[in-house]
Amino acid sequence: EADIYQTPRYLVIGTGKKITLECSQTMGHDKMYWYQQDPGMELHLIHYSYGVNSTEKGDLSSESTVSRIRTEHFPLTLESARPSHTSQYLCASSPSSGTSSGNTIYFGEGSWLTVV
Amino acid sequence: GDSVTQMEGPVTLSEEAFLTINCTYTATGYPSLFWYVQYPGEGLQLLLKATKADDKGSNKGFEATYRKETTSFHLEKGSVQVSDSAVYFCALSAISGSARQLTFGSGTQLTVLP
Repeated sequence: EADIYQTPRYLVIGTGKKITLECSQTMGHDKMYWYQQDPGMELHLIHYSYGVNSTEKGDLSSESTVSRIRTEHFPLTLESARPSHTSQYLCASSPSSGTSSGNTIYFGEGSWLTVV
Repeated sequence: GDSVTQMEGPVTLSEEAFLTINCTYTATGYPSLFWYVQYPGEGLQLLLKATKADDKGSNKGFEATYRKETTSFHLEKGSVQVSDSAVYFCALSAISGSARQLTFGSGTQLTVLP
């Protein structure tokens, strides 16, 4: 069982508001990820991190930003939310390569964001 | 680059029917292969994985065998239940240290009717 937590699980906010989606993992994993997913559809990698102070943009362009000040924490921020940001956001983590489960990525339960 | 092609859905079966969801991949080297399941309103859960050729991953009655010769990792279950209704994602992971390592298929929606 993976220990990765996302808050809030569900959020409805107005256009133009700033929102931060929290993600924490207690497994000491170096790598963390944010994926965006419309219900039942493909996952799109929007941000990832190799470790503390490392952040990279993913395959899908996103107006969100991330930070990685601590190993266990990888928050995602939208400075000014728009209806087009309505989606599910999935946080994930994985240990470094070379460990027995180095290629396995563990997911949080997701944050459902609706912007009205 | 790496890619995963998954059988398109949606798939609808009656309870106790046999399930196959096809998955083929393209990758350099020898990736690890995964099946993830997503129940309604939830995140992705690792269902099973295989890390080398001819490995068979299994969990909760589901099985998949890593076939290097056909570059496939088809998911099977002999007798599905209503509770298996979910979206299933095939994925591969490069064995290098890249953080972009997981490549997903497009997902297959499975509905099992009582």
